[in-house]
Amino acid sequence: GAVVSQHPSWVICKSGTSVKIECRSLDFQATTMFWYRQFPKQSLMLMATSNEGSKATYEQGVEKDKFLINHASLTLSTLTVTSAHPEDSSFYICSARRPDREVEQYFGPGTRLTVT
Amino acid sequence: AQSVTQPDIHITVSEGASLELRCNYSYGATPYLFWYVQSPGQGLQLLLKYFSGDTLVQGIKGFEAEFKRSQSSFNLRKPSVHWSDAAEYFCAVGGQSGATNKLIFGTGTLLAVQP
Repeated sequence: GAVVSQHPSWVICKSGTSVKIECRSLDFQATTMFWYRQFPKQSLMLMATSNEGSKATYEQGVEKDKFLINHASLTLSTLTVTSAHPEDSSFYICSARRPDREVEQYFGPGTRLTVT
Repeated sequence: AQSVTQPDIHITVSEGASLELRCNYSYGATPYLFWYVQSPGQGLQLLLKYFSGDTLVQGIKGFEAEFKRSQSSFNLRKPSVHWSDAAEYFCAVGGQSGATNKLIFGTGTLLAVQP
């Protein structure tokens, strides 16, 4: 299998604080991880592509200073939402890619972020 | 430009009826095509994928999809829908390697199943 976990599954934080979301590949080493954002009843929007040991590549329109991505190991990537605001409330989903299957992505269960 | 279109935002079918969800894509190179299913508040589960070869691909849960290059389509089908199939379905297209390896998702089709 190819299992991806996310932690936490849901989080509530106050406006102005930062929150970190973890994405782990449990049974494989992920050379690349992706972070998506999904608004209610909408599709997934790719935020950034994260490669182990290098800086993340952000999609156009995504603020890299607000959404900090760290891919410190082959099994862990983190997304930190800094100085969160209510408009950052969303469903964040990560995915990971195996080096031997370069097209498929394996998705985590998602993290529901609510900023009050 | 690369894009995926799912023309049907919301579909309702009766349990036991057949189902077809439409997906059209625009992609400059040979596409890799995927169908994912998402239950409320959950991540995405891969139903099936097409890379090459036989254009009719079988997936999990009794789903199948047919790749039609001439129509740039990859429609998802199931002969008999079960109530547990109610969910959101996403079609996605990806490239073969390198920088084009990102997945582009359609806007999704929400499937409701009537008893």
